[in-house]
Amino acid sequence: AQKVTQAQTEISVVEKEDVTLDCVYETRDTTYYLFWYKQPPSGELVFLIRRNSFDEQNEISGRYSWNFQKSTSSFNFTITASQVVDSAVYFCALSDPTGANNLFFGTGTRLTVIP
Amino acid sequence: EPEVTQTPSHQVTQMGQEVILRCVPISNHLYFYWYRQILGQKVEFLVSFYNNEISEKSEIFDDQFSVERPDGSNFTLKIRSTKLEDSAMYFCASLTRGLGNEKLFFGSGTQLSVL
Repeated sequence: AQKVTQAQTEISVVEKEDVTLDCVYETRDTTYYLFWYKQPPSGELVFLIRRNSFDEQNEISGRYSWNFQKSTSSFNFTITASQVVDSAVYFCALSDPTGANNLFFGTGTRLTVIP
Repeated sequence: EPEVTQTPSHQVTQMGQEVILRCVPISNHLYFYWYRQILGQKVEFLVSFYNNEISEKSEIFDDQFSVERPDGSNFTLKIRSTKLEDSAMYFCASLTRGLGNEKLFFGSGTQLSVL
């Protein structure tokens, strides 16, 4: 069965600090996909990244970076030099290979960036 | 960037009433999804739809729920007889099969309040 754990319910940081959001997943599939979505206060879901299980290369996109460690079943997300606009709930999600976009979401981490 | 459009943004209904939530997916997309998010909780998969039929559905998607693509552009979620626990944000999403760079586009959601 698929499971996604985001142990950090809420995190507060001061602007310009770096912050890492943790995501640990469980799956029996050898092929799967991992995602991060941002949900700002307005409520929509904003796609951040999609990563397949065969691609363990870490990725950087501007101030965002992702660390995929298959050995520990983790897909952590780091925001460097956080800004107030980064304040949101961040969801990690997992899909199985049969329906690559039928996503199982974690419970989310609420990030508050204090000016 | 193309958008998935959902209407209405907020719907209030009485328990036992039927509601139809509407979505206009991105025009060249082929795969359609409904997710829901009960207030403060994680986003949950409801159903996926392809080629005019349901591909997959979760345990939540019981006989009270149905989906339809009535006219080739709209994608609707009907709840036949709403219950209090159906109160949630409902997200529509769509996808086109690309070449390994697929991205699931979410709409901004319909907040359903059942009184």
